[in-house]
Amino acid sequence: QVQLVESGGGVVQPGGSLRLSCAASGFTFSSYAMHWVRQAPGKGLEWVAFIRYDGRNKYYADSVKGRFTISRDNSKNTLYLQMNSLRAEDTAVYYCAKELYSGYELDYWGQGTLVTVSS
Amino acid sequence: QTVVTQEPSLTVSPGGTVTLTCASSAGAVTSGYYPNWFQQKPGQAPRALIYSTSNKHSWTPARFSGSLLGGKAALTLSGVQPEDEAEYYCLLYYGGALNWVFGGGTKLTVL
Repeated sequence: QVQLVESGGGVVQPGGSLRLSCAASGFTFSSYAMHWVRQAPGKGLEWVAFIRYDGRNKYYADSVKGRFTISRDNSKNTLYLQMNSLRAEDTAVYYCAKELYSGYELDYWGQGTLVTVSS
Repeated sequence: QTVVTQEPSLTVSPGGTVTLTCASSAGAVTSGYYPNWFQQKPGQAPRALIYSTSNKHSWTPARFSGSLLGGKAALTLSGVQPEDEAEYYCLLYYGGALNWVFGGGTKLTVL
């Protein structure tokens, strides 16, 4: 069965960096685009980033552009989110999600990892 | 700035029918926005329900259906069950610089 397991969350000071990972299993990871989505405490969902199945196309929300980098290692079935210059407003649960088949649809989600940006 | 708007909250009786909508400040929502719908219960990750306007995932209960209604994407629940009480989010694809945008969510209460 499809499993997505995020890790790497924690507490970081403003201006700091963190790298999130999403370990995928139960499907051919290298054939599917992936997304990162976040949810601030008590708030709604916010789309963060997208990466094509082969890593050639990457898109970002304006709120993270220039600070976050999405990447993947298809040999390790792992998705990453490198987060730099973190701000208090980046505090959220970060979810990875798999596309269904054409990038426009999300089907499976991980359980999320909490990132807290605080001094 | 493009905003995707959903009803903040709705209440429905068990066994009843309710329709949640998803509007775009950019104009009418069409199938080209590939509307997705997700359900999220407290403390849980979101769960996908509907993709590309009206298509159900293999796990989506039959009582959930998606459509376009009056220039908006819509999610209709028929024969609502107590376990349907949750937050529901729509997601629209804009492409270009916007890419994907979530609606603010609808808190559905079954009472």
